[in-house]
Amino acid sequence: QKEVEQDPGPLSVPEGAIVSLNCTYSNSAFQYFMWYRQYSRKGPELLMYTYSSGNKEDGRFTAQVDKSSKYISLFIRDSQPSDSATYLCAVERGNAGKSTFGDGTTLTVKP
Amino acid sequence: EPEVTQTPSHQVTQMGQEVILRCVPISNHLYFYWYRQILGQKVEFLVSFYNNEISEKSEIFDDQFSVERPDGSNFTLKIRSTKLEDSAMYFCASSVTSGRAYEQYFGPGTRLTVT
Repeated sequence: QKEVEQDPGPLSVPEGAIVSLNCTYSNSAFQYFMWYRQYSRKGPELLMYTYSSGNKEDGRFTAQVDKSSKYISLFIRDSQPSDSATYLCAVERGNAGKSTFGDGTTLTVKP
Repeated sequence: EPEVTQTPSHQVTQMGQEVILRCVPISNHLYFYWYRQILGQKVEFLVSFYNNEISEKSEIFDDQFSVERPDGSNFTLKIRSTKLEDSAMYFCASSVTSGRAYEQYFGPGTRLTVT
């Protein structure tokens, strides 16, 4: 079983739509949950991180964690064409910094 | 805004050759990492490094790989004898401390092509 499974996509939405990106993880030892954005042939860019179950909001982005079901989500409100990218979820135990990534979901926001 | 830098952006090498990939982490960061991403696949952890020692490494990071902090600013990944399957993007990342290891900042990557 993969440690992190991410909805594969690709996902295509019209501008202004609400986007939901989702991952599940298998090991309850993971303590930190991150979302990265990656543009083509670029390095991952950290968007948000959360520690506990619940929601964390940053502008148009909301990260949600449900540790009881081992489910993490990223919501993007009022999506823009500039949000078009691959979104990576990642998990971490909180010790030596080994982040385990999902496969990524490619999002296209059409004007 | 401080950023992680990596050189070269693209390296082409022949199978069996040694390559050194270079990174300059963010200046006040203490933890450094290497990840790789084979084209179309997920980002994979290779190694983490702190205080001139490897903190953790994955099964990918075998004896062909080594890391070094040769001076106060550079962090390098050496592959001794490259194989075709080493072709990938290699990302360096850094974080302030182990307590914030989840907050990693990635460089733009080095694309390694082994022919």
